[in-house]
Amino acid sequence: RKEVEQDPGPFNVPEGATVAFNCTYSNSASQSFFWYRQDCRKEPKLLMSVYSSGNEDGRFTAQLNRASQYISLLIRDSKLSDSATYLCGLISGGYNKLIFGAGTRLAVHP
Amino acid sequence: GAGVSQSPRYKVAKRGQDVALRCDPISGHVSLFWYQQALGQGPEFLTYFQNEAQLDKSGLPSDRFFAERPEGSVSTLKIQRTQQEDSAVYLCASSLVGGWDNEQFFGPGTRLTVL
Repeated sequence: RKEVEQDPGPFNVPEGATVAFNCTYSNSASQSFFWYRQDCRKEPKLLMSVYSSGNEDGRFTAQLNRASQYISLLIRDSKLSDSATYLCGLISGGYNKLIFGAGTRLAVHP
Repeated sequence: GAGVSQSPRYKVAKRGQDVALRCDPISGHVSLFWYQQALGQGPEFLTYFQNEAQLDKSGLPSDRFFAERPEGSVSTLKIQRTQQEDSAVYLCASSLVGGWDNEQFFGPGTRLTVL
């Protein structure tokens, strides 16, 4: 079993829709959690960190559920420009190496 | 300001050739990471440097892979006797220091194709 698992999608949604992705992880000792956005043939870019209390940044809300070992990302009022792959990442163990899921592809259509 | 840069951006190698991939981290960044991203997958950790010290190389897939950062800034990832399974995007990331809350900034990657 992979340490981080994501539904690969694609999620095809119309503009204005609300969409949510989950990511499960197997190592209960994982320390820090992140959502990265990766556009086609580009590098990953940090979208937001995920805190235990949940956090929001504009249209994006991230949640962490340590008991069930998953994190989630909610995107409200989807825009065409939100089309990308969303990577779930976590840090567990030493030296802060990131461990990523395979990514969830989102396609927002007019 | 300048971000992380990598060169070459694209590399085509014949099976058995050696390749060298370069990473220029953000100036002053202490931590440097190399990741390998296969098609349709997330990046996978290869190795980590703190300044010039390679503190973790647990992700290097074989002894054909070697990385160095001799002066604590530029890093080179070398792959000897390339194989087709080495075809991937190689991403370099740097962060200011090693703390978990220090964002890792990724370079654009080197896309390696082994024929």
